[in-house]
Amino acid sequence: DTGVSQDPRHKITKRGQNVTFRCDPISEHNRLYWYRQTLGQGPEFLTYFQNEAQLEKSRLLSDRFSAERPKGSFSTLEIQRTEQGDSAMYLCASSLEVNTIYFGEGSWLTVV
Amino acid sequence: DAKTTQPPSMDCAEGRAANLPCNHSTISGNEYVYWYRQIHSQGPQYIIHGLKNNETNEMASLIITEDRKSSTLILPHATLRDTAVYYCIAVNRDDKIIFGKGTRLHILP
Repeated sequence: DTGVSQDPRHKITKRGQNVTFRCDPISEHNRLYWYRQTLGQGPEFLTYFQNEAQLEKSRLLSDRFSAERPKGSFSTLEIQRTEQGDSAMYLCASSLEVNTIYFGEGSWLTVV
Repeated sequence: DAKTTQPPSMDCAEGRAANLPCNHSTISGNEYVYWYRQIHSQGPQYIIHGLKNNETNEMASLIITEDRKSSTLILPHATLRDTAVYYCIAVNRDDKIIFGKGTRLHILP
């Protein structure tokens, strides 16, 4: 399967701990996006990269969140000092330049 | 980006055509209409997109009115596996996708 891959699929962590999610986009896709989704809501945009450059960050992305895409391939999303409000599904998507983006299956985070 | 309005939920009998409406009365000339769907607990899945002309692919058909203020996604022969939340998005080419609440489609056996 050469779709968008996310790891881990599920993570349970204690409040205050740091967590990191990884996303491997579709090969040769130069754009990579992170979204967050809570129950009953549509996905909310967090940030996106074109190659290794982070081009836009949502106001939802607080100082505790950091995303990287060091070599323009895979990306990581780190959440420091997790809070219960961070519990959500974190979605990664990729595209080749324009809007038709393809999503991974998401990484579920539960903060207890 | 133009705001879109969709009914919160719809029912459709299995085997019938499911017609999902979307209003985008403030759409600008260079904004595309995109449709995605999300089956429970999975990532959103791209369905189809269009600018002015009607479009068809293996999953669905997209009918855009001549004034482009509304569109309809048609699933020609709905199955139980089509039960999902369907999102209609109007977006400039090369801009990020912003999701609303979508339409929760229930396919009834």
